[in-house]
Amino acid sequence: DTEVTQTPKHLVMGMTNKKSLKCEQHMGHRAMYWYKQKAKKPPELMFVYSYEKLSINESVPSRFSPECPNSSLLNLHLHALQPEDSALYLCASSQVALNLAAKNIQYFGAGTRLSVL
Amino acid sequence: EDKVVQSPLSLVVHEGDTVTLNCSYEVTNFRSLLWYKQEKKAPTFLFMLTSSGIEKKSGRLSSILDKKELFSILNITATQTGDSAIYLCAVEAGGSYIPTFGRGTSLIVHP
Repeated sequence: DTEVTQTPKHLVMGMTNKKSLKCEQHMGHRAMYWYKQKAKKPPELMFVYSYEKLSINESVPSRFSPECPNSSLLNLHLHALQPEDSALYLCASSQVALNLAAKNIQYFGAGTRLSVL
Repeated sequence: EDKVVQSPLSLVVHEGDTVTLNCSYEVTNFRSLLWYKQEKKAPTFLFMLTSSGIEKKSGRLSSILDKKELFSILNITATQTGDSAIYLCAVEAGGSYIPTFGRGTSLIVHP
């Protein structure tokens, strides 16, 4: 099973709303990632969690707040977003992270298509 | 700064054609190169390449790495409409724990 499940598949929200994106994997992976992808561009890394601890934050605005309740779950809490935040948000997991000796393959979820009005 | 450049950016072919996608890179302390296929949403893993000259193969897809010339190619033979997707190349290198992605090649296969 190499499945990473993301919910919801689509989300439309206003700039004053609070919503959350969810990601789940049951592969025993200890690293989980959030990426943002705009149309016709490659995925851009937002956050990396390693062993349930936030390890990398790529200077993401505070209106995006990640949370890793346990090794299988990863959330992204959204608040006061801007229209330019509309994008595909991808979650990924890999066996480990922050290990230069390991050759990590990231497995991606299907993404959440977010539209901010 | 690590750079990963894919070419062409887009490609339109007919079913049955063979295509070659290119990924060149300029990185410090290369570790591995990965190919992903992205249809509509999730990128799905295709190949990981770490050694020069060893071809990885999966059905009609194959890939090879040239660490001297700093590039990889992804070949797809006898293309089918289901091969239509964006093909992403990513490189792991140096002190970065995270792969650098190229912009992708958009492949459209017409019946």
